[in-house]
Amino acid sequence: AQTVTQSQPEMSVQEAETVTLSCTYDTSESDYYLFWYKQPPSRQMILVIRQEAYKQQNATENRFSVNFQKAAKSFSLKISDSQLGDAAMYFCAYNFGNEKLTFGTGTRLTIIP
Amino acid sequence: EAQVTQNPRYLITVTGKKLTVTCSQNMNHEYMSWYRQDPGLGLRQIYYSMNVEVTDKGDVPEGYKVSRKEKRNFPLILESPSPNQTSLYFCASSRVGRTDTQYFGPGTRLTVL
Repeated sequence: AQTVTQSQPEMSVQEAETVTLSCTYDTSESDYYLFWYKQPPSRQMILVIRQEAYKQQNATENRFSVNFQKAAKSFSLKISDSQLGDAAMYFCAYNFGNEKLTFGTGTRLTIIP
Repeated sequence: EAQVTQNPRYLITVTGKKLTVTCSQNMNHEYMSWYRQDPGLGLRQIYYSMNVEVTDKGDVPEGYKVSRKEKRNFPLILESPSPNQTSLYFCASSRVGRTDTQYFGPGTRLTVL
């Protein structure tokens, strides 16, 4: 069974600095999708970034980028120039086919002004 | 506006009193799913549906029922709620196809006393 592990329950970063959230996963598949979701205090699930496993190039979305290491089954999220609005719970998720998303346990990110 | 709606957003009930949480999407998506979110556990899938009249169990289906009589609606039914079903519930939908990302509803906070 696929599993997703986020080993950092909590992280903090100074405003304007860079922070990296870690995620590892376990799968026997070769073609799949990985996601980072943000959950602010409003509890809404917001897609931050997605990565297709067949693509070697790391995905980027403005200040958000990933470091996808397929052989190591690692999928970290880097947030550059952290802003107060980035404070949230971040979930890493895996998807193979469309049956479900398998989520990690989340990392709570605090931004220090 | 493309969206997934859930009702109610908040619900406090007592053990054994049947309840239904509704979920509706306006994007003509075939796939719909229910997740529950618990601290330290991330989101776990309860049930999913690939199309009308097609439903299947996720990882934590015990104590829940679903139905899919219309494409746009996917209600979650708790026939006899128990305190261990106190949780935050999310409905999600997407088109069938691996490149799609799931759209999440705003969440329903359920407390069973």
